Amino acid sequence: SQTIHQWPATLVQPVGSPLSLECTVEGTSNPNLYWYRQAAGRGLQLLFYSVGIGQISSEVPQNLSASRPQDRQFILSSKKLLLSDSGFYLCAWSLGTGGTTDTQYFGPGTRLTVL
Amino acid sequence: KQEVTQIPAALSVPEGENLVLNCSFTDSAIYNLQWFRQDPGKGLTSLLLIQSSQREQTSGRLNASLDKSSGRSTLYIAASQPGDSATYLCAVRIIQGAQKLVFGQGTRLTINP
Repeated sequence: SQTIHQWPATLVQPVGSPLSLECTVEGTSNPNLYWYRQAAGRGLQLLFYSVGIGQISSEVPQNLSASRPQDRQFILSSKKLLLSDSGFYLCAWSLGTGGTTDTQYFGPGTRLTVL
Repeated sequence: KQEVTQIPAALSVPEGENLVLNCSFTDSAIYNLQWFRQDPGKGLTSLLLIQSSQREQTSGRLNASLDKSSGRSTLYIAASQPGDSATYLCAVRIIQGAQKLVFGQGTRLTINP
């Protein structure tokens, strides 16, 4: 069966510090990978998605970047955190079959607080 | 641009009641619609997925309907239990882009014992 991991679970960082959040998927190959952010009082916002190694698409301009160094590894980074980067970050994967039954499976999330 | 709205934002009901959560979307060009559950501080768990050609899906005490032409979906929860307390999110998978999901802001449900 497939499993998705995220770490760390929680993180408190000062403004201006770097960030690296990691997501890994087990039990599947060549998944589509996604990074979402859920800010307080707001819905989930898609930040990045990837359909393959080294292929990253950004949905919104921001202070963050994403990389996919391996097939089942997705990393969210920042060189200098802003207060507005605080939120709950969720990684998700899908088979990317393109059918009407294709769904996304979410990880447990990382709570980021920027002080 | 697809927009998804969920009403109400919060709902509190006594245990045992049947209830309905609402979701509306602005663009009917979707592959499917999903209902997710999110417990506080946790990730999302998929509850039901309705394909664009379907009208409803059922799982246990949950029933979700889809009226694509009017841009509406409902999640019906029968005989509610305190364990049903969570935030329920509706999301549509749009046809354009790489299987992107567009989420509503959710309904926070509290079931009182």
